[in-house]
Amino acid sequence: SQQGEEDPQALSIQEGENATMNCSYKTSINNLQWYRQNSGRGLVHLILIRSNEREKHSGRLRVTLDTSKKSSSLLITASRAADTASYFCATDAARGAQKLVFGQGTRLTINP
Amino acid sequence: ETGVTQSPTHLIKTRGQQVTLRCSSQSGHNTVSWYQQALGQGPQFIFQYYREEENGRGNFPPRFSGLQFPNYSSELNVNALELDDSALYLCASSLTSARPDTQYFGPGTRLTVL
Repeated sequence: SQQGEEDPQALSIQEGENATMNCSYKTSINNLQWYRQNSGRGLVHLILIRSNEREKHSGRLRVTLDTSKKSSSLLITASRAADTASYFCATDAARGAQKLVFGQGTRLTINP
Repeated sequence: ETGVTQSPTHLIKTRGQQVTLRCSSQSGHNTVSWYQQALGQGPQFIFQYYREEENGRGNFPPRFSGLQFPNYSSELNVNALELDDSALYLCASSLTSARPDTQYFGPGTRLTVL
């Protein structure tokens, strides 16, 4: 079963615009991670944010985490055609074996 | 490139057969996890191995089994294949089993069951 839900399921924007994707989850977490997947291939790790962090930046990526609302957002600024991909949030629970629970993803399309 | 490789890239089997998928982790990574990703869905955790022992399991039946070897390679075995087993199978390695830790994914094996 999927823990997280991404919103929107699909997003189409013009090159140069910013893209925001949201993720909600259900249980307590140790950390939350965002991944990118191109055309059904392997997942590329983008950023990890710990449960005691509220915001993190990496290049054009900005991730926020609100544990009280059990939600996270991923902002991609100044989008490029190469950013076209599916983006997944994945939560790592606070207890038990380290495992990632993924949402269903947001399909992002950047139009040139 | 994540340094994690998987073989084969694609595989076609028929219902009832058995399949073995292989993964080679990054050197020094003693934890490997396997995920199943159905079309249009997010990956689902199958199980994790740490130092050659199963360290956690998702909601998958016993016909899904695994092995991890000392040379950082691992296998996913699926017996009595069913049509619903058609999916992309991903392995991911990490340096430790502690959290937080980044998991590095391979490119996946696309399994089709006819």
